[in-house]
Amino acid sequence: EVQLVQSGAVVKKPGESLKISCKGSGYSFINYWIAWVRQMPGKGLEWMGIFYPGDSKVRYSPSFQGQVTISADKSISTAYLQWSSLKASDTAMYFCARSQVGDYYSGMNVWGQGTTVTVSS
Amino acid sequence: QSALTQPASVSGSPGQSIAISCTGTSSDVGGYNHVSWYQQLPGKAPKLIIYDVDNRPSGVSDRFSGSKSGNTASLTISRLQAEDETDYYCNSYTSANTRVFGTGTRVTVL
Repeated sequence: EVQLVQSGAVVKKPGESLKISCKGSGYSFINYWIAWVRQMPGKGLEWMGIFYPGDSKVRYSPSFQGQVTISADKSISTAYLQWSSLKASDTAMYFCARSQVGDYYSGMNVWGQGTTVTVSS
Repeated sequence: QSALTQPASVSGSPGQSIAISCTGTSSDVGGYNHVSWYQQLPGKAPKLIIYDVDNRPSGVSDRFSGSKSGNTASLTISRLQAEDETDYYCNSYTSANTRVFGTGTRVTVL
């Protein structure tokens, strides 16, 4: 079964760093793009960026460029989303999602269960 | 990069058809045939229901269909059912080599 399993919910303080993960299984991890999507409480979906494990290409949405880092360790089929200094406004649910095919033109058809990040002093 | 514009809510009676619009610019919706639509049930991850404007993934009901004209894409839900009551988002490829979501639409079945 093709699936993405994300790391568990986390509570952090402002200014702390964080790295959340998304492990792929049931498919060739290096051949599909992995995207990260933010959903703030009670709000809509926001595209953060997308990563290709095959050659480490990354494309950030302008709103998130410089705010987060997207990476992956293809040896363990795991993608990451990280912050160096969290803010309260980073409180949200974060989803990872896999491209349907080998490019990211045709939508994301496999999604992780989501990781809740709470940033509070 | 601005979110694509969707109506906040659309409603219809069971058995009717409704349409949700998604308006962008020539740099996203109008410039590429790479518009997707997602259905998101409360507390769940989004589900892909339409890709590349008018294609349905395997297993998605044929009551869902997509189209595009100029800078506006549309999702039509035919033969509306109670289970269709939830949130829907469009998503388009952009000239900045990224993608952007719509503002989201809540569908209510009367």
